[in-house]
Amino acid sequence: AQSVAQPEDQVNVAEGNPLTVKCTYSVSGNPYLFWYVQYPNRGLQFLLKYITGDNLVKGSYGFEAEFNKSQTSFHLKKPSALVSDSALYFCAVQNTGNQFYFGTGTSLTVIP
Amino acid sequence: DAGITQSPRHKVTETGTPVTLRCHQTENHRYMYWYRQDPGHGLRLIHYSYGVKDTDKGEVSDGYSVSRSKTEDFLLTLESATSSQTSVYFCAISDNPRSGRAGNEQFFGPGTRLTVL
Repeated sequence: AQSVAQPEDQVNVAEGNPLTVKCTYSVSGNPYLFWYVQYPNRGLQFLLKYITGDNLVKGSYGFEAEFNKSQTSFHLKKPSALVSDSALYFCAVQNTGNQFYFGTGTSLTVIP
Repeated sequence: DAGITQSPRHKVTETGTPVTLRCHQTENHRYMYWYRQDPGHGLRLIHYSYGVKDTDKGEVSDGYSVSRSKTEDFLLTLESATSSQTSVYFCAISDNPRSGRAGNEQFFGPGTRLTVL
C-alpha cells in the first residue's frame, strides 16, 4: 500500500534561515514523488517532482528536495526562507496506476 | 489554475439532497481526479477518470459517484448529501506521458466549498 507521512503539522522558521519540511513515504516499486504548495483559499500548485536520476531535485521559487531511498524520505528544502513562503505544503506519491496519495500537510510560517 | 474551473465555488445544501459538482478543463488532459480536503486528513482521492467513460474508485468513494461523458468535463455527484460530506472539493488533471509511465504532475482547480446542514 502507498502512503505518505508528514511528521510535522507546523514548522516555524525565521526569515532568511534555511527551511526543511519533512516527508517519508511507503510505496511498492519505484517511487514518483511530488511536492505541492497551497496558499489560502487556493488549489494546490506543483513545486517539484522526483522521477529518476539525481537525488537532488530543484523546483519553483528556489525550493529543492532531496530523495533518499535508504531512508524513504523526500524532504523539501530552501536555503533562505521568505515571508511569502508561508503556506501549506503537501508531499505526494504516485503509483503506476496514476493514483496520487497525499500527506496530511505541513503548515509553514516564516517569521519576519 | 492551468485551465481548470470548478462550479459552483460555494454551496450550502441540506442533508438528503442531491448535489453535483462540475469540473471543466481546457487542457485536453486524459486524467481527471476528485479529491476532498479535510483538516488532519490532507487530500483524499474520491474517484478518478483515465478517459471518457473510464472511471475508478479512490480511497473514500462511498456516497459519491462520477461521470465523464466528454474529455473536458468530470462530474461528481453526492446522491444524498450527509453532514460528513461537508468539505472542500478539488478537481485535478494530469496528462498521460507518451512513454506510458507515470510521473506527470497534477494541476488543481480552485476548489468548491460544500456545506451540508
